[in-house]
Amino acid sequence: ETGVTQSPTHLIKTRGQQVTLRCSSQSGHNTVSWYQQALGQGPQFIFQYYREEENGRGNFPPRFSGLQFPNYSSELNVNALELDDSALYLCASSLIMGPGELFFGEGSRLTVL
Amino acid sequence: AQTVTQSQPEMSVQEAETVTLSCTYDTSESDYYLFWYKQPPSRQMILVIRQEAYKQQNATENRFSVNFQKAAKSFSLKISDSQLGDAAMYFCAYRGSNSGNTPLVFGKGTRLSVIA
Repeated sequence: ETGVTQSPTHLIKTRGQQVTLRCSSQSGHNTVSWYQQALGQGPQFIFQYYREEENGRGNFPPRFSGLQFPNYSSELNVNALELDDSALYLCASSLIMGPGELFFGEGSRLTVL
Repeated sequence: AQTVTQSQPEMSVQEAETVTLSCTYDTSESDYYLFWYKQPPSRQMILVIRQEAYKQQNATENRFSVNFQKAAKSFSLKISDSQLGDAAMYFCAYRGSNSGNTPLVFGKGTRLSVIA
């Protein structure tokens, strides 16, 4: 059984650019969610995907968007990057009707200059 | 909206001793899940322990146990026989009962140091 994997692990972008982060869900999981973790803070929910559709969203602007593919892998896209977007982005997978816990990847560290 | 509060930004414990990390939460729901996650420097969130709100019995996982006080909305984590590998950030998290569609709400975390 493979766990949640994310790529890239680190990346640096400049303000105004666009970024795509990728995630492969844990085997057998049909739901993927994304969290933003600023330095020294707890993770904040961005959105969740189930059956390739967004089925929950946190307080993030539309320039944060995502995709889920038939194999349950996922992408997080951020347009028009701002300095405050610098953070660790965590992907988590789960079962839509499971016992509630999420299984996380190691995250993608994004630095916006 | 649900909130989770961890009032101890940092804690330290001697190796082999016991430490308790505090967590309180606010919710109007009667059924929900509570979690403790560990985040070592490797950054990956690792589930430590889980508690269903409808269960009165406190969850235990080896050296880790919780004290769940539903009326007080308190959910503390006790680590017994602390080991150097326990050093990490610990996050308390809440998830509503509609687990298919509700996100995890995290506290700000407690940094635990283990002193040899």
